[in-house]
Amino acid sequence: EADIYQTPRYLVIGTGKKITLECSQTMGHDKMYWYQQDPGMELHLIHYSYGVNSTEKGDLSSESTVSRIRTEHFPLTLESARPSHTSQYLCASSEYWDRGGNTEAFFGQGTRLTVV
Amino acid sequence: AQSVAQPEDQVNVAEGNPLTVKCTYSVSGNPYLFWYVQYPNRGLQFLLKYITGDNLVKGSYGFEAEFNKSQTSFHLKKPSALVSDSALYFCAVRAANFGNEKLTFGTGTRLTIIP
Repeated sequence: EADIYQTPRYLVIGTGKKITLECSQTMGHDKMYWYQQDPGMELHLIHYSYGVNSTEKGDLSSESTVSRIRTEHFPLTLESARPSHTSQYLCASSEYWDRGGNTEAFFGQGTRLTVV
Repeated sequence: AQSVAQPEDQVNVAEGNPLTVKCTYSVSGNPYLFWYVQYPNRGLQFLLKYITGDNLVKGSYGFEAEFNKSQTSFHLKKPSALVSDSALYFCAVRAANFGNEKLTFGTGTRLTIIP
């Protein structure tokens, strides 16, 4: 079944640790996104990608980095986690509109990160 | 820059009554508009979209939304609310032109249906 997966669902980690949040999709979508969601619920785009080897920064500045080596995989890395990075991180993917695909984005279940 | 406004942080509706969750947008050119729902500790679920054509679009779980170009609005509606509709609702917009791949979300509206 085509879907988008995020692991882990929950992560508690100490300050200064390096972490990678995984995101994979089986829908063959070119476009992928990372959103950070505040405890107060607002969504902020932090990274997006048009395809392999394409990454762009989003509207909200983030200390995280992303890579897109394979179409289906869009991991997010924090080199040195801090308490200010505590948040929910949502990954999404979508098709290009001009390829006749759906225009809506499909979301993973999210990773809730707590840095202590 | 494109933007979405959801003027109400919280909407309370009695079960069985009609509900409306408001959304207005700003974008260059024609918009693609979307509504998503989020349940606790989950990702966002797609509800419905407006791309082109009929201004009234129908989606999942009995929800519908009306696109109003002159008012730049895309309000979410349901004729009869269920307790299970209680959740967080997000409106989103992107410009309908190739090269703009960014999807911008509103701040969300928490809908509570009172039994």
